[in-house]
Amino acid sequence: RKEVEQDPGPFNVPEGATVAFNCTYSNSASQSFFWYRQDCRKEPKLLMSVYSSGNEDGRFTAQLNRASQYISLLIRDSKLSDSATYLCVVPRQGSYIPTFGRGTSLIVHP
Amino acid sequence: DAGITQSPRHKVTETGTPVTLRCHQTENHRYMYWYRQDPGHGLRLIHYSYGVKDTDKGEVSDGYSVSRSKTEDFLLTLESATSSQTSVYFCAISEQPPDIRPDEQYFGPGTRLTVT
Repeated sequence: RKEVEQDPGPFNVPEGATVAFNCTYSNSASQSFFWYRQDCRKEPKLLMSVYSSGNEDGRFTAQLNRASQYISLLIRDSKLSDSATYLCVVPRQGSYIPTFGRGTSLIVHP
Repeated sequence: DAGITQSPRHKVTETGTPVTLRCHQTENHRYMYWYRQDPGHGLRLIHYSYGVKDTDKGEVSDGYSVSRSKTEDFLLTLESATSSQTSVYFCAISEQPPDIRPDEQYFGPGTRLTVT
């Protein structure tokens, strides 16, 4: 299994839809996880941190499933402005230098 | 937004020429990182620094060197640029040590480098 794997998408959803992405990781010792958002031709920016079972921030919910070694990001009531690439970040095996997934592309259309 | 700038923002250079990219921060964070981002590979760590004059290699360090003589500046040098080094380069900073508690990294705006 790769250190961090994400479905590249793109996920094409209409406004108002609920969409979820998964990210699988190989380091079972990982204790913390991050979701970053990256707009086209821009730098990544932190969206959410996940240190235990999950985290919720408005329309965004991040959940952790340690048994199956994946984290998920759920976006409710999608907005056009949610269109971006979402990067999953997990500490590297044997180190805590983060490893970035390749990202999942989301396109929200009217 | 965190105070991170990168220069230049865009550069086109020829194969075999040396190139230096600069990352400057005003946050006084101890940890600084250089990543490259390519389609199909995501962000990959080139080098990082955990203090002035303290640096270490990342996963794709071949062909790159770094220097940090001041807290606020982290330089990335391509000694002899190759076409495979065409990429978008991001600098990042963090306050917490990554080996104690991974903390969010704040990224600079990126440098688009094209090696012809």
